[in-house]
Amino acid sequence: NAGVTQTPKFRVLKTGQSMTLLCAQDMNHEYMYWYRQDPGMGLRLIHYSVGEGTTAKGEVPDGYNVSRLKKQNFLLGLESAAPSQTSVYFCASNWLGEPPSEQYFGPGTRLTVT
Amino acid sequence: SQQGEEDPQALSIQEGENATMNCSYKTSINNLQWYRQNSGRGLVHLILIRSNEREKHSGRLRVTLDTSKKSSSLLITASRAADTASYFCATDARAGGFKTIFGAGTRLFVKA
Repeated sequence: NAGVTQTPKFRVLKTGQSMTLLCAQDMNHEYMYWYRQDPGMGLRLIHYSVGEGTTAKGEVPDGYNVSRLKKQNFLLGLESAAPSQTSVYFCASNWLGEPPSEQYFGPGTRLTVT
Repeated sequence: SQQGEEDPQALSIQEGENATMNCSYKTSINNLQWYRQNSGRGLVHLILIRSNEREKHSGRLRVTLDTSKKSSSLLITASRAADTASYFCATDARAGGFKTIFGAGTRLFVKA
């Protein structure tokens, strides 16, 4: 199993450009998450999904949109990139359960907005 | 706002010493997890402790949970240079859905 994969690994955008980050998992997980990690601030939840076709806002959703058209994929979109969105983005997934299982993380996407 | 806050922010020790990291949180939780992150990598799950548990072991890791003080500690015994990483606590607060909230992390540096 590949686990959780993310594409691309690196990207540089100019202010106002758009892009989509792709997350894929092959573990049949129900839940998927997008986080951003900034220096000294740990991980902050952007959006998450509890199943195919459903999404919900996390702690810092502004400026981002997501879609979960297929169970194995979770897309994060930036419609008009801003320098404040320079960060490392991590996707994660886990099983539905009580308590929820451990989250499995992708390797991250390093995004720079100039 | 961050639910979990780790202390210290950074820790430097010699190989063979024990490393202790603490996590405090604000609201009631169902469970607390510890993750590790090597530089430039994604997080890797280390251990989960439920709110009705007080202590848990996994290899050289020992986690304690004190729900009355809303705090947890992670002890790494006989540390190795390979333990150099950032360590994060994550709480499942259940508020508003299934969201795990991460702290800012403790950077551990183990000198060989």
